[in-house]
Amino acid sequence: KQEVTQIPAALSVPEGENLVLNCSFTDSAIYNLQWFRQDPGKGLTSLLLIQSSQREQTSGRLNASLDKSSGRSTLYIAASQPGDSATYLCAVRREGTYKYIFGTGTRLKVLA
Amino acid sequence: NAGVTQTPKFQVLKTGQSMTLQCAQDMNHNSMYWYRQDPGMGLRLIYYSASEGTTDKGEVPNGYNVSRLNKREFSLRLESAAPSQTSVYFCASRLTGADGYTFGSGTRLTVV
Repeated sequence: KQEVTQIPAALSVPEGENLVLNCSFTDSAIYNLQWFRQDPGKGLTSLLLIQSSQREQTSGRLNASLDKSSGRSTLYIAASQPGDSATYLCAVRREGTYKYIFGTGTRLKVLA
Repeated sequence: NAGVTQTPKFQVLKTGQSMTLQCAQDMNHNSMYWYRQDPGMGLRLIYYSASEGTTDKGEVPNGYNVSRLNKREFSLRLESAAPSQTSVYFCASRLTGADGYTFGSGTRLTVV
């Protein structure tokens, strides 16, 4: 059974810092992995999608990497801003299934 | 605007009442999903529809039914609401197997 873990559960950093959010999964037979952002009381916004054959994806100040063999993905946020404050979720889709398994998220607060 | 639309946004039910949560997407996506989000539990899949005319159970299907009315619409029905079904419900859709999810903004349901 695929389990997805995100550590830390919460993170508070000063504005301008570069930071890394972690996502670990137990079954390396994944099809792809998706990172989301969720603002309080809102839905999920897709940030990056990494296929199993890819090592990383970039969008603006965000970079997501994937290491299937070690069961890890990281989301790198460069030059953090207060507007980056949100909960970040990763979701893993196992090979041969339609379903994504979600981690419980990292709640990020960027202090001005 | 293109996307996933959920109605209603908020609902309060009494125990034993029934209701249907509506979801519609205008992106011509093939597969659609219903998740619930609870504090500390992350998102858990209730039901999904891999394509028009098919539905399958997810992790937590008990107490729910679904209908894939056509390619655009996927509804979730609570036949006899229970307090344990108090949650935020999200609908999501996806075009093809290689694509990630697009989420709706959610329905906040309280059962008293």
